[in-house]
This record gives sequence, structure tokens and C-alpha cells, in this order.
Amino acid sequence: DTGVSQDPRHKITKRGQNVTFRCDPISEHNRLYWYRQTLGQGPEFLTYFQNEAQLEKSRLLSDRFSAERPKGSFSTLEIQRTEQGDSAMYLCASSLAEAGGEQYFGPGTRLTVT
Amino acid sequence: GENVEQHPSTLSVQEGDSAVIKCTYSDSASNYFPWYKQELGKRPQLIIDIRSNVGEKKDQRIAVTLNKTAKHFSLHITETQPEDSAVYFCAASKRVSSASKIIFGSGTRLSIRP
Repeated sequence: DTGVSQDPRHKITKRGQNVTFRCDPISEHNRLYWYRQTLGQGPEFLTYFQNEAQLEKSRLLSDRFSAERPKGSFSTLEIQRTEQGDSAMYLCASSLAEAGGEQYFGPGTRLTVT
Repeated sequence: GENVEQHPSTLSVQEGDSAVIKCTYSDSASNYFPWYKQELGKRPQLIIDIRSNVGEKKDQRIAVTLNKTAKHFSLHITETQPEDSAVYFCAASKRVSSASKIIFGSGTRLSIRP
């Protein structure tokens, strides 16, 4: 499968624990995005990278959230001291800026904080 | 701030009839308008998009229209089929080099009645 992949697909954690998600974009894509989607809502932008540079962060991304893309390929999203309100689907997308920028989404990681 | 509003939130049509979903956006600098289809438990998939220099675009049974003056855009699905049942999201983006995040609407749940 040459599409965007995410790992894990599901994560259940207790409140206060840290979690880390991984996203592997389509191999030639230089842009990578993180979104959060709650039930019945559209995806909300969190942050995006062009290569290894993090170019924009939403105000939704509190100081408990951090994202990295150290080598310009895969990315990780870490949530520290999880709260019940962090329960959501975390979606990753990638695009090739030079090709018009259409974003292709991964299957998401569903986080449940108990 | 940037906002995309979408109506209706739910839509039920008879198989074979047409479905129309309408969106408005707030940021006049938006110049790229993708539409995504999300089936239950699956990732959002791009089904069609339109750029600001075009007023209408059609792909088989799907068409999108854009009125930049009014900041309105719409999705039209003709000859609806059961497999069209899904949640549809409109979105807007400013496709410049450093600001390509997508702002999504809240979604329309489309049901096709047999």
C-alpha cells in the first residue's frame, strides 16, 4: 500500500498518561499535516510541516501537544498528560506542494482517554 | 477568523434524485475548495476540487460551483446511488507557499433512500 499510513490505529489510555502517534506519508510528499476529528465534526487543523520544518501550528495545539518530523519523512505527534477531552480521531495527511497540494489522508488513530 | 459553514447537516434523497450541499467561507483570500467524502470508519477521500479561477467543474455525476463574490460554493450529485451515502465535507484553503492548511465545514450526512 503506497498511501498514508498511521500507527497505531487505536489507542486507549488513562488520563494523565503520555501517548505518541506515528504517520508515514506518501513517499515523495514533502508536506505533512495533522488534524483532529471529533464525532460529527469535520477535521480540525493542528499543524503542518514542509520537509522537516514545522510551518504552522493551530491555537488548538496546546503546550501538551508536540509534533516532529525530524528527517522530513515520517512524523510523530505526542500528547502529554492526556485529558478526556483529547479523545478524538487524529488524522494525518500528506501532499506534494509542487503538484497542486491535494491532501491525501491516512486512516487515522482513534484515541480514547479513560 | 477563518470559517467554513456547511448546510444542511443531514440530507435524505430518493435514489436517482439529485443532492445539493452548500457552503460559505469567510476568508476572501481562500482560492482552493476541495470536497471530501467520508464513509463510516474510513478516512476522508478527495472527490472533487475547484480553484478560484474557475466557476464550475464537473466529473461524471458530481459537479461543484463557486461564486467568489458571494463566497459560496456548492456540491451537486446527480442520479444518486446507494454508494453515495456518506458524510461529505466542504473545505477551503489558501494555496500559497506557507499557508495551505484546509479549513473544513462541519459535514453533511447524505442518505440515499432505495
